[in-house]
Order: sequence, then structure tokens, then C-alpha cells
Amino acid sequence: GQNIDQPTEMTATEGAIVQINCTYQTSGFNGLFWYQQHAGEAPTFLSYNVLDGLEEKGRFSSFLSRSKGYSYLLLKELQMKDSASYLCAVQDSYGGSQGNLIFGKGTKLSVKP
Amino acid sequence: DSGVTQTPKHLITATGQRVTLRCSPRSGDLSVYWYQQSLDQGLQFLIQYYNGEERAKGNILERFSAQQFPDLHSELNLSSLELGDSALYFCASNEIPSGTYNEQFFGPGTRLTVL
Repeated sequence: GQNIDQPTEMTATEGAIVQINCTYQTSGFNGLFWYQQHAGEAPTFLSYNVLDGLEEKGRFSSFLSRSKGYSYLLLKELQMKDSASYLCAVQDSYGGSQGNLIFGKGTKLSVKP
Repeated sequence: DSGVTQTPKHLITATGQRVTLRCSPRSGDLSVYWYQQSLDQGLQFLIQYYNGEERAKGNILERFSAQQFPDLHSELNLSSLELGDSALYFCASNEIPSGTYNEQFFGPGTRLTVL
């Protein structure tokens, strides 16, 4: 079956660093996405990993280990506006279905002053 | 602003009724995806259309149906509504993925409340 696990909630302090983990077990794998979603709003793209290793983009970095079925999103220099849900999504194997995304339930991050 | 539009923004209706949600993809995008997001659930993939044809089906109930029109806009029809259908419904779009990359661009969603 398809299973993507993330912590439900996390709390961190403004200016700090937080790491949000995601583990996955899927029938196929063709990349992993992280999306940010503020309450009641649309998810917005943060990062994409298809090869093992770290991808850095400003204050956000994402890591992937395919052999371990594991990814994390690292947020540095936290700001109050980073309070949101962070969604991990695995792209299923490329094929006739065009590699649909399977989403985890999301991690709600609260940033406190 | 992703370039994907959805109407209406909010919809309140009663059990047993039927509603239609509308989505216009980004200019040039041929694929449209529909998702349901309930309070305690993640984004659940419902169905995908590509250039007017159904491409993939996820956890879509038989009471729900969708179509994509020649101008590429899409509609999601929900019938015999139940209280549990109350959720945020998102539409996403993208071009034909080249290689394996499948970033999807999400619309602002339609919040459906069934009373």
C-alpha cells in the first residue's frame, strides 16, 4: 500500500531551526515534493528531490534518502509567517497515470515569539 | 497567485443536494487534478484529466464525477451530498510532465459546507 508519515504538529521559536521529517512506503517512487499550506489556502511548492542528498533554497532545505524511504524539510531562521502546514508528497512511478502525487497528512508548524 | 482559478470560493448546501465546482487551469496547462481535503485528512487525490480525457482515478466516490471541456476548464460534480462531504476541494494543473517532474499548481480551493 501507499503510506506517508509525518508528525502531526510541531512548535518552534522565532529565529530557530526546525526539521520536519517524512517517511514513505509507496509502490513506486519518482520524486518527493514539499508544499507549504497556510490555513484555508492553497498549497504552494517549496522543494523537489529525486536524487539522494540535500537541496538548498534560501532558508529552506530538503533532504532525501531513497534507500531509507526518508526525507526532511529544514527551515532556518524561523519567522512568524512560517507558521503553516507542511505537506510531504511522493510522486508515484511515472507511467500512464502521469506520476500522481500521494500526500501525507501534513505537519502543522507553530512558530512562537 | 498560481494562475489556477476556482469558483465558487464558498458553497453552503443541504444533504441530498447536488453541486458543481469549477476550475480553470493555468494558461497552457493540459492536466487538471482534483483533490479533497477534510479537517482530519491530508489532500486526497480524486481524479485527473488530461486534454479532455480521464487520465487517472483516485479515491473518488461514485456520487462524484468530473469532466474537462475543450477549453480545458474542468468541473467536479458532487451529488447526493452527505455531511461528510464537507471539505476543501482543490484543483491543480500542470503541463505534460517532461521526464518525471510533476509539480502541480493549486487553485485557491472551494470550501463546501453540507448542512
